[in-house]
Amino acid sequence: EVQLQESGPGLVKPSQSLSLTCSVTGYSITSSYRWNWIRKFPGNKLEWMGYINSAGSTNYNPSLKSRISITRDTSKNQFFLQVNSVTTEDTATYYCASITTVVNGNWFAYWGQGTLVTVSS
Amino acid sequence: DIVLTQSPVLAVSLGQRATISCRASQSVSISSINLMHWYQQKPGQQPKLLIYRASNLASGIPARFSGSGSGTDFTLTIDPVQADDIAAYYCQQSRESPFTFGSGTKLEIK
Repeated sequence: EVQLQESGPGLVKPSQSLSLTCSVTGYSITSSYRWNWIRKFPGNKLEWMGYINSAGSTNYNPSLKSRISITRDTSKNQFFLQVNSVTTEDTATYYCASITTVVNGNWFAYWGQGTLVTVSS
Repeated sequence: DIVLTQSPVLAVSLGQRATISCRASQSVSISSINLMHWYQQKPGQQPKLLIYRASNLASGIPARFSGSGSGTDFTLTIDPVQADDIAAYYCQQSRESPFTFGSGTKLEIK
């Protein structure tokens, strides 16, 4: 079974960059699927941020496109999120999740446990 | 972006039926394929997939959960409600990118 685990700093200062890692076990990120980042704000709103697919191509939410980057390290079976120029509004629980590449799919079948990131000076 | 609207709270009695609705700002169906999915999230846990493509039960999910709907109106039904079902429930569309979620419905016990 696919398992995902987020890791990274829990506290980031405003204007700095937020960097998170998602470690995947049970499945190779180069085999298939799309590998996503999703965040949940303190008010419980969920926001899809973007994904990197098995070929290394990315798709970002236009609302974040200028500030985020999703990359990967295939040798470690990990993918990464970087959000630049963070503000307090980026405070959220960040999840990594996978979706299948079934035609007309794109539901989030597997999720990590989430990691809380607080933006504060 | 497609906006998904859910009622914030639903209170039901144990053993009764819960009907949670999700309305989309535009159709999320392609021909007969309904690109709406449902998740359950309990406090301190990650979301769990319950239903995909509006009416398909995800692996390991009890049969008391079911989904229906098409176009812009979708429903998640829990029948009968059990104490373990107390959680927030979110709909999500994949008709177009960016994928969006509803604001969630918190299921409470009367």
